[in-house]
Amino acid sequence: GQQLNQSPQSMFIQEGEDVSMNCTSSSIFNTWLWYKQDPGEGPVLLIALYKAGELTSNGRLTAQFGITRKDSFLNISASIPSDVGIYFCAGQKVSNYQLIWGAGTKLIIKP
Amino acid sequence: KAGVTQTPRYLIKTRGQQVTLSCSPISGHRSVSWYQQTPGQGLQFLFEYFSETQRNKGNFPGRFSGRQFSNSRSEMNVSTLELGDSALYLCASSQGLAEETQYFGPGTRLLVL
Repeated sequence: GQQLNQSPQSMFIQEGEDVSMNCTSSSIFNTWLWYKQDPGEGPVLLIALYKAGELTSNGRLTAQFGITRKDSFLNISASIPSDVGIYFCAGQKVSNYQLIWGAGTKLIIKP
Repeated sequence: KAGVTQTPRYLIKTRGQQVTLSCSPISGHRSVSWYQQTPGQGLQFLFEYFSETQRNKGNFPGRFSGRQFSNSRSEMNVSTLELGDSALYLCASSQGLAEETQYFGPGTRLLVL
């Protein structure tokens, strides 16, 4: 099925480093969502974005809705061990309410 | 509010059998979406039900079916199981409106032997 282009696929970082990941699409979306999934669990919503250009923070997480409405990024500052997991982006089209998902970014923190 | 619940959490079946998974959405939510996630893969959309009607459908074979009841609870059925059906099956609920986030359950992990 259709997917967003999410990158990078995986990241190996040191604790304390900042992390950046993004999603792009050829389609326009009205909503961008960022989720985190821990092993064996369902994804949990981190940040929801509803307007082009919107910049929203949730603690150490910051996400932006691209001005073209075709992309979004997620930044994590000063990473800590509990940040490990898989991060997914999802965009919603206005036409059919369906969410289109990225393939995920696996975050691994080196001890 | 209670979150999205899925039963069972774990299931082992053999090839050729059929299976039914259940999802209870957050109270007041009318939309339930089902996803398949295989190890290391993203979320593959199966279908979405809204007010007892299938509103969206992904690209899965007809062996995968679902339904939604008047209380918004949903079931997903897979017939004639194949080894490749082993996966984490996630359901997500929302009010079903535009600009609306989905909330996920913990998933049902299905192993087909």
